[in-house]
Amino acid sequence: SQELEQSPQSLIVQEGKNLTINCTSSKTLYGLYWYKQKYGEGLIFLMMLQKGGEEKSHEKITAKLDEKKQQSSLHITASQPSHAGIYLCGADLPPGGGADGLTFGKGTHLIIQP
Amino acid sequence: DGGITQSPKYLFRKEGQNVTLSCEQNLNHDAMYWYRQDPGQGLRLIYYSQIVNDFQKGDIAEGYSVSREKKESFPLTVTSAQKNPTAFYLCASSQGARDEAFFGQGTRLTVV
Repeated sequence: SQELEQSPQSLIVQEGKNLTINCTSSKTLYGLYWYKQKYGEGLIFLMMLQKGGEEKSHEKITAKLDEKKQQSSLHITASQPSHAGIYLCGADLPPGGGADGLTFGKGTHLIIQP
Repeated sequence: DGGITQSPKYLFRKEGQNVTLSCEQNLNHDAMYWYRQDPGQGLRLIYYSQIVNDFQKGDIAEGYSVSREKKESFPLTVTSAQKNPTAFYLCASSQGARDEAFFGQGTRLTVV
């Protein structure tokens, strides 16, 4: 079974609308990382969350980690064409805690319609 | 500019041949990682290295080999033993285990 579940798998949103992507783990996370990827390119780091209840924002993107450190959400406000791409969550999971690399979700494909 | 560089961007290989993918970083990071990305699969860890001259197998190491002779370099060899080598390969580095990882631009390997 997948240790890190992302939903939805794909998302089509009209420009200007808000959207939320979720990432859920069956284990308590040591840390949660959000990345964005353009097709055929590398991953761009967005945000890192490590404390239960933590929330971070950058421009129009806000990421939250729940108190139990098992679920994170990424929220985009007033979406723009530049937000289109693949969003991936990665996590430091026990027992390695990140020393053995991140575990990734399968990604959410975001399409912004003009 | 500091960063992590993968080369080549596209690579074609005939069946039965070994091929080496390059990954170089000038971020002075201790840890380096190789991931494989397939459609609908997300990223899967092939090998990782926390320090020079040491590396560990990830989840899908079979058919791959690595070396870490220098801090800045972590080449990945895809051997003929890898049954399905066609994929997008991503290299990453981080300062430590709990720090964010920075990724290269990837190498797309196609077996012809």
